[in-house]
Amino acid sequence: DIVMTQTPLSLSVTPGQPASISCKSSQSLLHSDGKTYLYWYLQKAGQSPQLLIYEVSSRFSGVSDRFSGSGSGTDFTLKISRVEAEDVGVYYCMQGLHLWTFGQGTKVEIK
Amino acid sequence: EVQLVESGGGLVQPGGSLRLSCSASGFTFSAYWMSWVRQAPGKGLEWVANIKYLGDEKYYVDSAKGRFTISRDNAKNSVYLQMNSLRAEDTAVYYCARDVKFGEFDYWGQGTLVTVSS
Repeated sequence: DIVMTQTPLSLSVTPGQPASISCKSSQSLLHSDGKTYLYWYLQKAGQSPQLLIYEVSSRFSGVSDRFSGSGSGTDFTLKISRVEAEDVGVYYCMQGLHLWTFGQGTKVEIK
Repeated sequence: EVQLVESGGGLVQPGGSLRLSCSASGFTFSAYWMSWVRQAPGKGLEWVANIKYLGDEKYYVDSAKGRFTISRDNAKNSVYLQMNSLRAEDTAVYYCARDVKFGEFDYWGQGTLVTVSS
């Protein structure tokens, strides 16, 4: 199974400051079709998860351009350019190469 | 508007069975893979199973193999999760999600809570 490892597991950010979450996979997520199926989801308190980023770097419809994804192979990063109060929640990376697996989650809170 | 509504959760004893349902609306159901994802209390997300458009391909997380069965009825726009031999560690909120491709879950239901306890 592909193991996804996120760091840090928690993050306290001053509003307006940037934040970054790392996600590493135990094997390359590059599919034979040339695409890399790495996703970022956000789960706000008491809510269902929501899709933020698909295929490493594409923002889902309606997602703020403060969110960006990057990476390749086994190393991926989610960046929030300027954290706002509404960004609070738990962020999960997930691989879609084989039997989908999530990272442990990174809890983001406001200082 | 795309909507996914789960039902069927509840309290069940260890070793018991439960069938979850997810009713979909607002899109062409038969054109999408569907997945079940669960979240144990205070824990992270775990993908459980998925099923292809016509139900001819199904995949499961190892812990669900042999105990859980995913199925769908495209005429009823519904996906199901039959859970047998339930264990305490199956206690979780179970979400159904529309899977665009390879784990791209663009819509999620509100979840249904399954509690396995004596």
